[in-house]
Amino acid sequence: KAGVTQTPRYLIKTRGQQVTLSCSPISGHRSVSWYQQTPGQGLQFLFEYFSETQRNKGNFPGRFSGRQFSNSRSEMNVSTLELGDSALYLCASSLTGEGNEKLFFGSGTQLSVL
Amino acid sequence: SQKIEQNSEALNIQEGKTATLTCNYTNYSPAYLQWYRQDPGRGPVFLLLIRENEKEKRKERLKVTFDTTLKQSLFHITASQPADSATYLCALGNAGNMLTFGGGTRLMVKP
Repeated sequence: KAGVTQTPRYLIKTRGQQVTLSCSPISGHRSVSWYQQTPGQGLQFLFEYFSETQRNKGNFPGRFSGRQFSNSRSEMNVSTLELGDSALYLCASSLTGEGNEKLFFGSGTQLSVL
Repeated sequence: SQKIEQNSEALNIQEGKTATLTCNYTNYSPAYLQWYRQDPGRGPVFLLLIRENEKEKRKERLKVTFDTTLKQSLFHITASQPADSATYLCALGNAGNMLTFGGGTRLMVKP
């Protein structure tokens, strides 16, 4: 069974640009969560999607958005990039997302904003 | 606000010894707690999950305890090996997959 796939692996953007990151969950998993990881703040929850609906949202500005498609694949978008958005963005999938489940993480997209 | 603390300094131990990692939390009443391992440049990998009504869980060389009175979890790796060297993250959750992670502890096992 293939794991969680995130593309691209690395991305370099400049301030003010926007970026779209993609995540393909494990087959059969319907919940997709996104996390931001930085050396200073650690892993922080961005949002979670289930059946194309956002179920939970973390404390991030509206520049961060996401969506989920009918095949459970998910994308997240960051608009008007700031230097502080440089981070490793991780996607995780699970069967139902109802808690008490282990998360399967992808290897992440390393975003550098110059 | 919720706060999760893990030893920020690296933990260095000798091969064969037991590594014990600590996770303390405040202002939180989690329904469950998870431990993950993360290697450089990779995403976290799930290790163990323990629920609020459980005191201890074991899996091979791994053991986790959960004390909701002390608001603390201990993670043990027995007979540690150099391959166990990694960063270990604890994460707390209630409903859904909205996990709150600690900052992680880097474990170095020396041969």
